[in-house]
Amino acid sequence: QQQVKQSPQSLIVQKGGISIINCAYENTAFDYFPWYQQFPGKGPALLIAIRPDVSEKKEGRFTISFNKSAKQFSLHIMDSQPGDSATYFCAASGESGSARQLTFGSGTQLTVLP
Amino acid sequence: DAGVIQSPRHEVTEMGQEVTLRCKPISGHNSLFWYRQTMMRGLELLIYFNNNVPIDDSGMPEDRFSAKMPNASFSTLKIQPSEPRDSAVYFCASSLRNEQFFGPGTRLTVL
Repeated sequence: QQQVKQSPQSLIVQKGGISIINCAYENTAFDYFPWYQQFPGKGPALLIAIRPDVSEKKEGRFTISFNKSAKQFSLHIMDSQPGDSATYFCAASGESGSARQLTFGSGTQLTVLP
Repeated sequence: DAGVIQSPRHEVTEMGQEVTLRCKPISGHNSLFWYRQTMMRGLELLIYFNNNVPIDDSGMPEDRFSAKMPNASFSTLKIQPSEPRDSAVYFCASSLRNEQFFGPGTRLTVL
């Protein structure tokens, strides 16, 4: 029930194209859904996050789409650039006692070709 | 702010040796998390602390792993004895509310 399933495992996109990564969750108590971006040799860093009271959040070229009834959310990267090549993790958390514990997806390795 | 600081950045040791990984969280953050990342298992939460108190250590794989947080600015993750299957990148992260800030990680290789 704590799992977050992420797909695809890897994605290759041409420069200027749209990258789409999907995640699904099971625990209806989750109320915070962040996406993290990780470059080789670095720790993951928060990219964008959404709460279930909205269906979409956009920050620059990055958009999260959220479907509460389907328990799914996705990351869209518009006008993908070679600098976007990284591993992307979706995550989910719910208020749990005194701290928020994130459950991460398995990650998607994105390659944007020049 | 310097962000989350981890040391060492790389550690190579032999099977059976004790390994200690260190973490300094961002000042003012009240939660600290230890993660392990491998190709096979992805990013796994090992343990997390809130206000220096361990809250959930269910992710700690075995009794060989232990973690402490003696004060708000320092935490250690110890593996003894280490085994080759412990080879991974270990991340420390800290947070105040929702966003977790990750350190650069310690790449551990156990020969």
